[in-house]
Amino acid sequence: AQSVTQPDIHITVSEGASLELRCNYSYGATPYLFWYVQSPGQGLQLLLKYFSGDTLVQGIKGFEAEFKRSQSSFNLRKPSVHWSDAAEYFCAVAATNAGKSTFGDGTTLTVKP
Amino acid sequence: EPEVTQTPSHQVTQMGQEVILRCVPISNHLYFYWYRQILGQKVEFLVSFYNNEISEKSEIFDDQFSVERPDGSNFTLKIRSTKLEDSAMYFCASSEEGAEGNTIYFGEGSWLTVV
Repeated sequence: AQSVTQPDIHITVSEGASLELRCNYSYGATPYLFWYVQSPGQGLQLLLKYFSGDTLVQGIKGFEAEFKRSQSSFNLRKPSVHWSDAAEYFCAVAATNAGKSTFGDGTTLTVKP
Repeated sequence: EPEVTQTPSHQVTQMGQEVILRCVPISNHLYFYWYRQILGQKVEFLVSFYNNEISEKSEIFDDQFSVERPDGSNFTLKIRSTKLEDSAMYFCASSEEGAEGNTIYFGEGSWLTVV
C-alpha cells in the first residue's frame, strides 16, 4: 500500500528566506506525486505534480520539487518565501492513473516578517 | 479556469439526520472522488466513482455513506444517519481520463458539523 510521510509538522521561516518541505513516500513502483497547498478554511490547490521524465518539476507560485527515487523523496522548495505562502502543505502519492491519492499529515508553514 | 463546485459550504445537522453534500465536477472529467478532512488531521480518501459505479472505497466509507450521479452534472455524497465523528470538511474532486487522469482537482469543500 502507498503511504506518505511529512516529517515536519510545523516550519517557521522568515520572509525572503528559502524553504524546503520534506516528503517521503512508500510505494513499490514509480508513483505519481503531488504537492497541494491549503489556506485556512479553503480547499486544496495543486502546486505541482510529478509523473515521469525530468525529476525537477516546476509549479505555480514559484515552487519546485525534486523527485529522488533513491531516497523515496519528493521535497518541495522555494528560493524566497512570501508572507502569503503561509498555509498548510500536503504531499500526496497515487499508485495508478486516476487512482486514489494518499496524503501526508501536512506541514504548517508560518512566515515571520 | 474550470473548477469543481460544492454546496453547501457549511452545514450544521443533528446527530442521526441524513445529509446530502453536492458537487458539480469539471465538465469533461470522468472520475469523481470524495475525500474528508477532520479538523486538524490529514485528508482521507473516501470513495472514487467512474462509469456510474464505485471504483474504490476506503474502510471509512461504510454502509452509512453512499454516492450518486443523479444527472449529467451532479455528484452527491449522502450520509444516511450522521454521527458526531462525521464532523469534517468533505472535499469533492474530479479528474480526466487518460494521462491526466491522476491529476485530481478539488473543490473548496463542504464543512459538516454534526451536533
